Amino acid sequence: EVQLVESGGGLVQPGGSLRLSCAASGFTFSHYEMNWVRQAPGKGLEWVGYISSSGETISYADSVKGRFTISRDNAKNSLFLQMNSLTTDDTAIYYCAREIVRRLGYWGQGTLVTVSS
Amino acid sequence: IVMTQAPLSSPVTLGQPASISCRSSQSLEHSDGYTYLSWFHQRPGQPPRLLIYKVSNRFSGVPDRFSGSGAGTDFTLKISRVEAQDVGIYYCMQETQSYSFGQGTKLEIK
Repeated sequence: EVQLVESGGGLVQPGGSLRLSCAASGFTFSHYEMNWVRQAPGKGLEWVGYISSSGETISYADSVKGRFTISRDNAKNSLFLQMNSLTTDDTAIYYCAREIVRRLGYWGQGTLVTVSS
Repeated sequence: IVMTQAPLSSPVTLGQPASISCRSSQSLEHSDGYTYLSWFHQRPGQPPRLLIYKVSNRFSGVPDRFSGSGAGTDFTLKISRVEAQDVGIYYCMQETQSYSFGQGTKLEIK
């Protein structure tokens, strides 16, 4: 069974940093592209970023470019999102999602990030 | 690419059909010939669930009450007979040029 479990969320002050993780199981992680998608409280979905299966290709939404960094460790079946210079606009549930050929078929349950003083 | 859904809210009667429109600010036809437009359903407190990919392909386990159609910049999700578990928010998403979502359509029972 495909499982994606996000962790690392919590309360952080504006200007602070946080590192999210996504633990994958039930499939060969190194074969799949991955994405991060977020959802602010009561709002719609916003794509955050993408990483190829090898980690060589990474892209970001303009709203997080230069502040967020996506990486992965295929040996540990893990995806990461390093978030720096956080603002209140970054408050959201952060989901990791598995992709194959532009199809985001499996999503984790999400982890909540709250940016507040 | 900006994705615009309509309506933003859709009250429907159980057993009746429902339809949601999604329009993109530019054509979603990729240079590889495919059109990368997906539909997701999200219930409160749950992650999104993929329903339809590449305009009209149902994802694994999705009932055939759901169908997708369209081309270019205009796309539609149809539910042939709405059931109680279909309530929630529906999102379209394009994956042709980077990724972007529509603003969501709330489906509720009358």
